[in-house]
Amino acid sequence: DAGVIQSPRHEVTEMGQEVTLRCKPISGHDYLFWYRQTMMRGLELLIYFNNNVPIDDSGMPEDRFSAKMPNASFSTLKIQPSEPRDSAVYFCASSFGQGAYEQYFGPGTRLTVT
Amino acid sequence: AQSVTQLDSQVPVFEEAPVELRCNYSSSVSVYLFWYVQYPNQGLQLLLKYLSGSTLVKGINGFEAEFNKSQTSFHLRKPSVHISDTAEYFCAATVDTDKLIFGTGTRLQVFP
Repeated sequence: DAGVIQSPRHEVTEMGQEVTLRCKPISGHDYLFWYRQTMMRGLELLIYFNNNVPIDDSGMPEDRFSAKMPNASFSTLKIQPSEPRDSAVYFCASSFGQGAYEQYFGPGTRLTVT
Repeated sequence: AQSVTQLDSQVPVFEEAPVELRCNYSSSVSVYLFWYVQYPNQGLQLLLKYLSGSTLVKGINGFEAEFNKSQTSFHLRKPSVHISDTAEYFCAATVDTDKLIFGTGTRLQVFP
């Protein structure tokens, strides 16, 4: 298996622009997680899905952030409009089962908003 | 509320020396505990996990961790580190929810 795939790997955009990050989880995994990593705040869980349904979005910072999972093999995280404080590395992870099961992380998307 | 504390933000050590990375958790119920490693410019990968049973857990790359319920700790150890162990290490815990709660990370820097 190719592992969790994220695209793009790097994104540079100007403030106010829409940004869409993409994730393909490992086939057969029923949980998908979106995380954000910054020096100041560390690793934060933004939202997670179970069987394509959003379960907990309490970590989404504000209404500018939205996430979807239209099918078992694809998810997007959208920021509209983007702001410089959104600059971070965004990780997608997937797992088969909850709690005790290992989460497999993608390589991340480094977002820079100027 | 559940939380995970990694007391050391950075741990410098010379190659071939032993190392211990500390992790404490707060939970009044049974927890599942994990250590993940993040190499530069990469995602996190699982080193080891404790679910139940033996309190000494062995993981990949020669790492091991010991679950101590009375001290609510899950410290990570390696008897002899290598330059390639230089990375960020994250302790994480989950109770009966789907979410992992991560610590703030410890940067292990191994010097020749």
